[in-house]
Amino acid sequence: AQKITQTQPGMFVQEKEAVTLDCTYDTSDPSYGLFWYKQPSSGEMIFLIYQGSYDQQNATEGRYSLNFQKARKSANLVISASQLGDSAMYFCAMNFSAGNNRKLIWGLGTSLAVNP
Amino acid sequence: EAGVAQSPRYKIIEKRQSVAFWCNPISGHATLYWYQQILGQGPKLLIQFQNNGVVDDSQLPKDRFSAERLKGVDSTLKIQPAKLEDSAVYLCASSPGQYSNQPQHFGDGTRLSIL
Repeated sequence: AQKITQTQPGMFVQEKEAVTLDCTYDTSDPSYGLFWYKQPSSGEMIFLIYQGSYDQQNATEGRYSLNFQKARKSANLVISASQLGDSAMYFCAMNFSAGNNRKLIWGLGTSLAVNP
Repeated sequence: EAGVAQSPRYKIIEKRQSVAFWCNPISGHATLYWYQQILGQGPKLLIQFQNNGVVDDSQLPKDRFSAERLKGVDSTLKIQPAKLEDSAVYLCASSPGQYSNQPQHFGDGTRLSIL
């Protein structure tokens, strides 16, 4: 069965420090993709970073990096130099093959609060 | 590049009334998704279109929800009649194609409150 697990309902971090948000997954599809999205209190869902299952190197996008450990089935998001504007819900998602389609499943999210 | 456009941003209605949401995807994106996100949860896929055809509507409550994408571009999602449990944020997203690993890009969402 396909599954995404985010075990941290809430996290706190001090401004300018780094924080790691955990995500583990399970799938029998050898070709899958892992995504991280940010959802501020205003409600929009913002794409942050993507990692493909065959990608050899960890993805990075500015202050965001994805710590991809395939053997452990984990895809943790690392935010460096946290800013107050990083306070939001963060969702991990995975897409996989489902018949003639690709489906995307979501974790329950982690609420991040950045303290000044 | 213009993003996914959704309207209205907020809607308040009474139970048993009807409501409609509109979405215009990113230009050239063939795949369009409607999600329901209840407070404190991740998004739940309601329906997925590839051009003007339905790919997946397995979680759409078809007795009250309907959606169309007649010309393969913009889309409407309707609820009739609304129930209290329909209070949620309705998100529209689009991506280049259903087989792609390209990310889905989302609109700002419609926050629906049922009284």
